[in-house]
Order: sequence, then structure tokens, then C-alpha cells
Amino acid sequence: AQSVSQHNHHVILSEAASLELGCNYSYGGTVNLFWYVQYPGQHLQLLLKYFSGDPLVKGIKGFEAEFIKSKFSFNLRKPSVQWSDTAEYFCAVSSYNTDKLIFGTGTRLQVFP
Amino acid sequence: DVKVTQSSRYLVKRTGEKVFLECVQDMDHENMFWYRQDPGLGLRLIYFSYDVKMKEKGDIPEGYSVSREKKERFSLILESASTNQTSMYLCASSLRQGAKEVWDTEAFFGQGTRLTVV
Repeated sequence: AQSVSQHNHHVILSEAASLELGCNYSYGGTVNLFWYVQYPGQHLQLLLKYFSGDPLVKGIKGFEAEFIKSKFSFNLRKPSVQWSDTAEYFCAVSSYNTDKLIFGTGTRLQVFP
Repeated sequence: DVKVTQSSRYLVKRTGEKVFLECVQDMDHENMFWYRQDPGLGLRLIYFSYDVKMKEKGDIPEGYSVSREKKERFSLILESASTNQTSMYLCASSLRQGAKEVWDTEAFFGQGTRLTVV
């Protein structure tokens, strides 16, 4: 069965600091990988996704993620965070032969001006 | 624009009641999902449906059932509500991979239903 681990539960940063949120998955086959964001009071929305091809994926709002197959990882990065990035971030995985989508426990990011 | 609509934003129910949470999507998606979201636990999959009348258990199906009689509608049923089912419930939908020649499908979420069982 698929599972997803997010080891950073709560991250606090100042504006302009760099961000990296960890995501590891367990599944032996081909996977599709996602990062979703939930801003306060809003519904979940997609930040970026990886299905195949270039393992470095760029998403909205300056976010990017790198798929490292050998490490079963899909870490999210942003070179310079803004106060408006304050939100909860979720990593998710589905396998190639099923669309069932499994989420991690989420990382709460707080950015202070 | 994909729209996933959950019938209620807030619900308060009594212990032992049968509770129905409804979700409708307007984009002809094959897949529909029910999750519950709890602080520190993230989103946990309750049930997944990949077609009309087809369903698959998620990680925490105990105490829940689902119904998918029409493609656009996916209902979550709490047979006998208990206080430990107090939570935020999220519905989502997505295209099946390969449907309409789209392979990089993504899930779209509703606003959520905050259920309190007293």
C-alpha cells in the first residue's frame, strides 16, 4: 500500500528565507506525485505535480519540487518565501495503475514579515 | 472551471444519528474521494470511487459507507454518528488517468463540511 511521510510538521520562517519541505513516499512501482496547499479558510488547491519527464517540476507562485526516485522523495522548495505563503502544505501520491490519492500529514508553514 | 460542491459547510448532529454528506461535481470526472481532515493527521482517505457503483475502501472506512448511483454525485454516510467522527470532511474528484487523453490528472476539492457530533 502507498504511504506518504512529511517530517516537518510546523515550520516558521521570516520573509525572504528559503524553504524546503520534505516528502517521502513508500511504493515500489511508478508513482504520480503532488503538492497541494491550503490557505487559511480556503479549499485545497494544486501547487504542482509530477507524472513523468524532467524530475524538477515548477509550479505556481515560484514553488518547485524535485523527484528523486532513488530516495523516494519529492521535496518542495521556494528560494524566497513571502508572508502570503503562510498555509498548510500537503504532499500526495497516486500509483500508476490506480488513481487512489494518498496524502501525508501536512506541514504548517508560518511566515513572519 | 471545475466545481466540487459539498451540500453543507457546517453540520451538528447527535450521537447515534444517521448522517448523509453529499458531494456533486460538474466536470464528468470518473473518480471521486472522501477524506477527513484532522489537525496533525492530515487528510485520511475514507473511500474512493472510480466509477458509478464502484468503490474502494481507503485507510479509515470503519463507521462509514458510501453511495455512487450517478457519476456526478458521491455520498458519505455515517451509519450511527459518534463523537470521534467530529471532523472536517473533504470531497474531491478527478479524471481517470487516460480518460479524454489526459494523463496528468489532478484532484479538485470542495470547500469541506465541518461536522460536529454531540
